[in-house]
Amino acid sequence: SQQGEEDPQALSIQEGENATMNCSYKTSINNLQWYRQNSGRGLVHLILIRSNEREKHSGRLRVTLDTSKKSSSLLITASRAADTASYFCAPISETSYDKVIFGPGTSLSVIP
Amino acid sequence: GAVVSQHPSRVICKSGTSVKIECRSLDFQATTMFWYRQFPKQSLMLMATSNEGSKATYEQGVEKDKFLINHASLTLSTLTVTSAHPEDSSFYICSAGTSGVPNEQFFGPGTRLTVL
Repeated sequence: SQQGEEDPQALSIQEGENATMNCSYKTSINNLQWYRQNSGRGLVHLILIRSNEREKHSGRLRVTLDTSKKSSSLLITASRAADTASYFCAPISETSYDKVIFGPGTSLSVIP
Repeated sequence: GAVVSQHPSRVICKSGTSVKIECRSLDFQATTMFWYRQFPKQSLMLMATSNEGSKATYEQGVEKDKFLINHASLTLSTLTVTSAHPEDSSFYICSAGTSGVPNEQFFGPGTRLTVL
C-alpha cells in the first residue's frame, strides 16, 4: 500500500495570503495527485505531478515534488474564501493495483 | 486526464433497503478499482479492492456480506450496500487503476448515501 500524510492538519489564513501544505509518502511513486474536498461534497481533482517532474503549475496552484525526500507541497497563491476546503494528497505507486491509504488531509480556512 | 465517474452522486433510502453505487472508468480500462468510505469530518478509509473477474479483497472490519462488490468489466465496478441502516450513511468514493503503461489511478467524485 501507499500512504500519504498531509501537514499541517489545519491551516487558517487571511484572504489574499498564500497557503502551503505538505504531503509525505512512504514508497516510490508513479505520480502524486492533489484533491480538494469542500465540506459535504466529493473529491475534486486539482493537479497531478509525475515522478519525473519537480514542479507543476495550474492557475493559482503550484505543486512541487521531491522524490528523494518522498514529499510534495501544494501552494495556493492569493487565497480566496472559496479555497476553504480539505486537501488530500494521493501518492500513486508504480503499480496500478497498489491501494492508497489517505492521511487526515489539511483543513484550510481562508478568512475573508 | 482520465475520468472516473460515480452514479448516483446522492441517494436517500429507507432503512432495510439495498443501494447500488456504480463506479465507471470513462476513457481507460481499470483492472483494479478501490472503494473508500468517508464519515463526516474524517478522512477516506479504504473498504475493499476490486479486481476485474475475481472476488474483492476487503479490509479488516469491513463486512463482505453487507458491502457486495462486483467488478464485472474493465470499466465498471459496483458497490451494493445491503440492508442499509442509518449508520451506513456516509460518503462512498471509488478509484480506478489502469492496466496499461504508465500505470495510473484516479478517484471518482463520490456518492453521498443517506439512510433514513
